[in-house]
Amino acid sequence: EVQLVESGGGVVQPGGSLTLSCAASGFTFSRHPMHWVRQGPGKGLAWVSRIDGDSTSATYADSVKGRFTISRDNAKNTVYLEMNSLRGEDTAVYYCLRDSGSPEIWGQGTLVTVSS
Amino acid sequence: DVVMTQSPLSLPVTLGQPASISCRSSQSLAHSNGDTYLHWFQQRPGQSPRRLIYKVSNRDSGVPDRFSGSGSGTDFTLKISRVEAEDVGVYYCMQSTHWPPYTFGQGTKLEIK
Repeated sequence: EVQLVESGGGVVQPGGSLTLSCAASGFTFSRHPMHWVRQGPGKGLAWVSRIDGDSTSATYADSVKGRFTISRDNAKNTVYLEMNSLRGEDTAVYYCLRDSGSPEIWGQGTLVTVSS
Repeated sequence: DVVMTQSPLSLPVTLGQPASISCRSSQSLAHSNGDTYLHWFQQRPGQSPRRLIYKVSNRDSGVPDRFSGSGSGTDFTLKISRVEAEDVGVYYCMQSTHWPPYTFGQGTKLEIK
């Protein structure tokens, strides 16, 4: 069974940092690009970042470019999202997704709250 | 960036009746490789989203056949032939033809009358 399990969320002060992890299982991790998508409280879905299976390419939404970094460790079947200079508008549930030609399988999400 | 516009944003439906959601893109989603990367996701209350339809009209595994997708170019539709109670939730269209960024519609909230 394909599973994606996010972790690392929590409460952080504005300007602070946090790193999210997503542990994958049930498929050949290195063959799939991975994404992060977020959902603010009571809001819709917003794409954050994507990374290729071999980490050769990473892309970002303009709203997080220069502040967030996506990476992956194929030996650990894990994708990460390092978030720096956090702002109130970054408060959201963060989901990791597997890509199979398009975004497909979602994790359960992890909540990030940016507040003083 | 490609803007995705859904309508309606709220959709009250009687059980057993059909439902239809429209999704329009600000530019054609036809890729040069011949595919059209328009997808539909369902988010039930309190749950993560799940993909229902990929590349306009292909149902994902386990998705009931009462769900169907159609369209081309800039106009797309998700149809539910007979709404059931478990269909309550928010439906999103998403494009992955022109990225980055991948872009979602605003979401359509389906509720039972």
